[in-house]
Amino acid sequence: DAKTTQPPSMDCAEGRAANLPCNHSTISGNEYVYWYRQIHSQGPQYIIHGLKNNETNEMASLIITEDRKSSTLILPHATLRDTAVYYCIVRALLTQGGSEKLVFGKGMKLTVNP
Amino acid sequence: DAGVIQSPRHEVTEMGQEVTLRCKPISGHDYLFWYRQTMMRGLELLIYFNNNVPIDDSGMPEDRFSAKMPNASFSTLKIQPSEPRDSAVYFCASSRGGLDYGYTFGSGTRLTVV
Repeated sequence: DAKTTQPPSMDCAEGRAANLPCNHSTISGNEYVYWYRQIHSQGPQYIIHGLKNNETNEMASLIITEDRKSSTLILPHATLRDTAVYYCIVRALLTQGGSEKLVFGKGMKLTVNP
Repeated sequence: DAGVIQSPRHEVTEMGQEVTLRCKPISGHDYLFWYRQTMMRGLELLIYFNNNVPIDDSGMPEDRFSAKMPNASFSTLKIQPSEPRDSAVYFCASSRGGLDYGYTFGSGTRLTVV
């Protein structure tokens, strides 16, 4: 069963911020939100993850709403190389009934236009 | 670090033949995962190992598929006999385990069964 909902596709202009939404209304208290992306013909690439606080790394920022039912991945200055399928995934700690398994949904195709 | 290494990159075989896909995980990673990706079904987890032991093989489609991990630095996914519907991109990934570590994926093996 899909635990996250993402729009199927989205466009963004090069150089602008890309805000990728994800709904996870049934998320449990012990589940983290992960983002991966898959550039055409390559293996998926880890981007970022978080529990409830906003997170930032060299690739992106992750904003999680206070009720944790949704999140937004922000690519601050999108480039053509950011064109990819982006996956939002929720997963719990193995020690809290979760699993090491990462289950991918359909994801969202982001197209960055020149 | 060379990342997760998969071989071959491309494989074309005739129906009924045995196919062996290979994966070398990142040194120090305790978990190894095999995924299959098709247009119709997306990314599917086939099996994963922890410390060389298969933990969950519920995603393995049928008895024609088998996977082994004889040591921490090598795993194989075998299909015998192969069928045209097995045509897909097969990805291997590894991780240290735990929520603080993302998966690292290999570049995949594109299998075509004719």
